[in-house]
Amino acid sequence: KAGVTQTPRYLIKTRGQQVTLSCSPISGHRSVSWYQQTPGQGLQFLFEYFSETQRNKGNFPGRFSGRQFSNSRSEMNVSTLELGDSALYLCASSGWDRADARSYNEQFFGPGTRLTVL
Amino acid sequence: GQSLEQPSEVTAVEGAIVQINCTYQTSGFYGLSWYQQHDGGAPTFLSYNALDGLEETGRFSSFLSRSDSYGYLLLQELQMKDSASYFCAVRDPFGNTDKLIFGTGTRLQVFP
Repeated sequence: KAGVTQTPRYLIKTRGQQVTLSCSPISGHRSVSWYQQTPGQGLQFLFEYFSETQRNKGNFPGRFSGRQFSNSRSEMNVSTLELGDSALYLCASSGWDRADARSYNEQFFGPGTRLTVL
Repeated sequence: GQSLEQPSEVTAVEGAIVQINCTYQTSGFYGLSWYQQHDGGAPTFLSYNALDGLEETGRFSSFLSRSDSYGYLLLQELQMKDSASYFCAVRDPFGNTDKLIFGTGTRLQVFP
């Protein structure tokens, strides 16, 4: 079974631009979540999608948005980029069956997109 | 608020045993997960405890005590390749959204 894929792997943008990152989950996984990770910081939760609906949202400004398509693929968008947005953006997928606790809690992460804002 | 606290750094030598603690404060709780992340890599799932007690998977074991809101990851027979960051995580059912929350992370350094 193919793992979670993210594109692009690396990206360089300048302040004020916008960026769109893509994530393809493991086949059969319907939940996709996004995280921001900066040096010295942990995994900061951005949002989670299930069946094209945003289920949860972290404490990030409205410049950060996302969506999920009917095939479970997800995109996140950051508008009006700031220097502080430079980070590794990770996507993860999981099952969505509360009756299967391990599957419900086990996140499979993609390799991430490293975004540099100049 | 919702939070999972971990020590920021732990050091040990090869062959030793190390314990990484995680204390949590959430409104609800399904269970506790652990992830490993090597520098430059993505986090990978290590274990999940739904019930109190010890779960063993090879050299790694994970423990949970719901009454103490506490868990730990135990790594035995440490190897250099175990040098990585370790995160605990939960899904908090508050508001019926099952929000994913990750701990602050513990950087483990294994020395020869």
